[in-house]
Amino acid sequence: DVKVTQSSRYLVKRTGEKVFLECVQDMDHENMFWYRQDPGLGLRLIYFSYDVKMKEKGDIPEGYSVSREKKERFSLILESASTNQTSMYLCASSVTSGGTGELFFGEGSRLTVL
Amino acid sequence: DQQVKQNSPSLSVQEGRISILNCDYTNSMFDYFLWYKKYPAEGPTFLISISSIKDKNEDGRFTVFLNKSAKHLSLHIVPSQPGDSAVYFCAATGNTGKLIFGQGTTLQVKP
Repeated sequence: DVKVTQSSRYLVKRTGEKVFLECVQDMDHENMFWYRQDPGLGLRLIYFSYDVKMKEKGDIPEGYSVSREKKERFSLILESASTNQTSMYLCASSVTSGGTGELFFGEGSRLTVL
Repeated sequence: DQQVKQNSPSLSVQEGRISILNCDYTNSMFDYFLWYKKYPAEGPTFLISISSIKDKNEDGRFTVFLNKSAKHLSLHIVPSQPGDSAVYFCAATGNTGKLIFGQGTTLQVKP
């Protein structure tokens, strides 16, 4: 089974702190994604990556950056956390480069910014 | 601009009855549609999908219908079971490679 592991299930940070959210997948998937889930807004794409060292902006990239140094690992970085970044963050991976493949999600990281 | 819309935030049905979850989209370039199910404190899991070349796809109790002219798809669950209680997300993708999700519908199946 595909496994997508997010390093932290729950985090509490203060405004202005730098936050790292780590994601690792074990199935050699080329594509990795970061979404955030908010009530009434569904899942919104922050960034995605089709290959090592490649990244593409999603629909809401402002305030975020990403890093993909290894194929299995995709990190989401909040350079200076703000309260409006309090959310559930979901990492996903997929095997089909054309984007029609099923996404496999991690369990999510709930971030609270005080 | 919400390209994928689920206009019903919640739905409540009795066990054994049919659940119908609806989804509308605006982008005519979308050619593949998926439904995901999400339990609290877990990541979404894939449920069923449909390509734009089809108008129906069935998998056990779950059937997805696609009406391209209306830009509308629906998920039917028959019969509904209490374990089906979850948030259901509709998603669509086209040639950009990005999967665009709707807002989600919370389904409650009452015993």
